[in-house]
Parts: sequence; C-alpha cells; structure tokens
Amino acid sequence: RKEVEQDPGPFNVPEGATVAFNCTYSNSASQSFFWYRQDCRKEPKLLMSVYSSGNEDGRFTAQLNRASQYISLLIRDSKLSDSATYLCVVSSGGFKTIFGAGTRLFVKA
Amino acid sequence: SAVISQKPSRDICQRGTSLTIQCQVDSQVTMMFWYRQQPGQSLTLIATANQGSEATYESGFVIDKFPISRPNLTFSTLTVSNMSPEDSSIYLCSTYTPVDEKLFFGSGTQLSVL
Repeated sequence: RKEVEQDPGPFNVPEGATVAFNCTYSNSASQSFFWYRQDCRKEPKLLMSVYSSGNEDGRFTAQLNRASQYISLLIRDSKLSDSATYLCVVSSGGFKTIFGAGTRLFVKA
Repeated sequence: SAVISQKPSRDICQRGTSLTIQCQVDSQVTMMFWYRQQPGQSLTLIATANQGSEATYESGFVIDKFPISRPNLTFSTLTVSNMSPEDSSIYLCSTYTPVDEKLFFGSGTQLSVL
C-alpha cells in the first residue's frame, strides 16, 4: 500500500462545476498536510495547507479527517485555469514529505 | 518564500554523458533537497543537500550516480552521471521552511536521455 494514495483521474468537468478530490494516507503519525498544484511540465506550487478544522481559500476548501486518515480538496465554480494536477502531500515531521501521485483535472468550456 | 532559480530548464543528452543542474536561492536556507519526477509519477526524494558536508541519499540513490554539492547556504548542484534513458525525468531542487513545513521548488530541469 502506498503511503499517500490519490485517485489519478482524470476528472473532466465543465466550467462552473464543483469537483472534489480525496487522498488517503497510511501513517497515523503524520502531522502536516498540504495540497500542491502542478501544471504540465512545471514545478509543484503550494496551493494550501490543510487543517483539522478545515480551511477555505476563495473557491478552494480543504479538509482533514484524522480518524479516517483522509484529506479532501473541493473546488467550486471551476475555471479553465484550474486545469492541472493536484498533489496531496503529507509530512510526518521534519522534512520527510511524501507526495501522492496526483489527480489530474481538466476543466472544459 | 525564497526565489529559487534552477538551470538548465531542459536538456537532451546522449547516454553515457553527465549533466550538472544548478540551483540558486535568493536567500540563505538551511535545507535544500533534490527530487526526481519520472513521467506520470509523483516526486521522489533523491537526497538532502547538506552545506559543507556530504549529501544524505535516500534508498535507491547513490553518490556515484547523483553527486551533489552544496558549497554554501544559497547554492547547490546535482549531477546526473553516466546517463541512460531511464534517467529521463524532471529534476527539481527545493527548499524547506521548518516553521511551517512547506516546500518550495525550483522550476525544474526536464532531462531527456537518448
């Protein structure tokens, strides 16, 4: 079993749709959680951190469920520019960071 | 966040040759890392670049194949030695901020080995 698992997709959605990605992690001692966005042939960029209380940044909402060991990312009112690969990232402290394989999103007009 | 400049951005190389990738940060950073992202895969940590000492390699990666230098707190290089087509990948340097455990990446080097 991989340490961090994501549905690879791709998710194909129309503009304006709401889409949700889930990610599960295996290490119950994991401490920090993030979503990164990676455009084609570009470096990953931090999208948002994920907190137990849930957090929102504009159209993006991230949630963490420690009991079930999963993280989610919700994108509302999808834009064409949201098309990218979304990486779930889990840290167990220090710099030991594990990346999921990513979920590909295509938003079409 | 620090600004990370990585070069070259891409290269096409012949098998058996070596390529050195450079990473320059605009401020001093304690921790720098090198990652590899093979086609369709996620990121895999190659090594931690330690300032003034030998790099710390992850399982499956060795110094002879991926020598790393880190002469100061703002610069590091990764060399991919004796390349084969299996080394075709994106190589990324990154910095880490312990306070919030966030990683920031250089723009990556897309390497193709023929």
